[in-house]
Amino acid sequence: QKEVEQNSGPLSVPEGAIASLNCTYSDRGSQSFFWYRQYSGKSPELIMFIYSNGDKEDGRFTAQLNKASQYVSLLIRDSQPSDSATYLCAVNPSGGYNKLIFGAGTRLAVHP
Amino acid sequence: GAGVSQTPSNKVTEKGKYVELRCDPISGHTALYWYRQSLGQGPEFLIYFQGTGAADDSGLPNDRFFAVRPEGSVSTLKIQRTERGDSAVYLCASRPAATRTHEQYFGPGTRLTVT
Repeated sequence: QKEVEQNSGPLSVPEGAIASLNCTYSDRGSQSFFWYRQYSGKSPELIMFIYSNGDKEDGRFTAQLNKASQYVSLLIRDSQPSDSATYLCAVNPSGGYNKLIFGAGTRLAVHP
Repeated sequence: GAGVSQTPSNKVTEKGKYVELRCDPISGHTALYWYRQSLGQGPEFLIYFQGTGAADDSGLPNDRFFAVRPEGSVSTLKIQRTERGDSAVYLCASRPAATRTHEQYFGPGTRLTVT
């Protein structure tokens, strides 16, 4: 079982819709959770982080964390074609803050 | 302010050669990380520096890989006797000294191609 799992996609949504990206993790002691956006040929860009159960909103983005279910999600409201990218879920494992464990990413395609 | 910078942006080398990849973190960031990303995969952790010392090198794949950060700022990832399987994008990230959430900020990466 992979430590951080994401559907590879592509997830295709129409412009203006809500895109829902999901991630599960295996280390129950994981402490912090991150969403990175990666455009093709570019490096990952941090867009959201969350460490407490519940929702965290920032503009059009909402991160949701459920530690009991070991599940973290990212919602993108009013999706735009410029949101088309790969979204990487990353987790700080238990035992320290020395690394991030990444999922393979979900490719999002927002079509006009 | 300036972000994480990495040089070179691209490196093509022949199998068996030695390469050095450089990372200049965000000013004031004491924590520095190296990751490797292969096509279609997420970044894979290699090594973590806190200051000058390698606090966790558990991700280095073998003893051909080595990294240093002698003055606690710039870091160099060194790969000896390169193999075709080393071809990937090598990413550097840095983190401020004291953050509750430990977010990391990535540089643009160095694309290494071993022929």
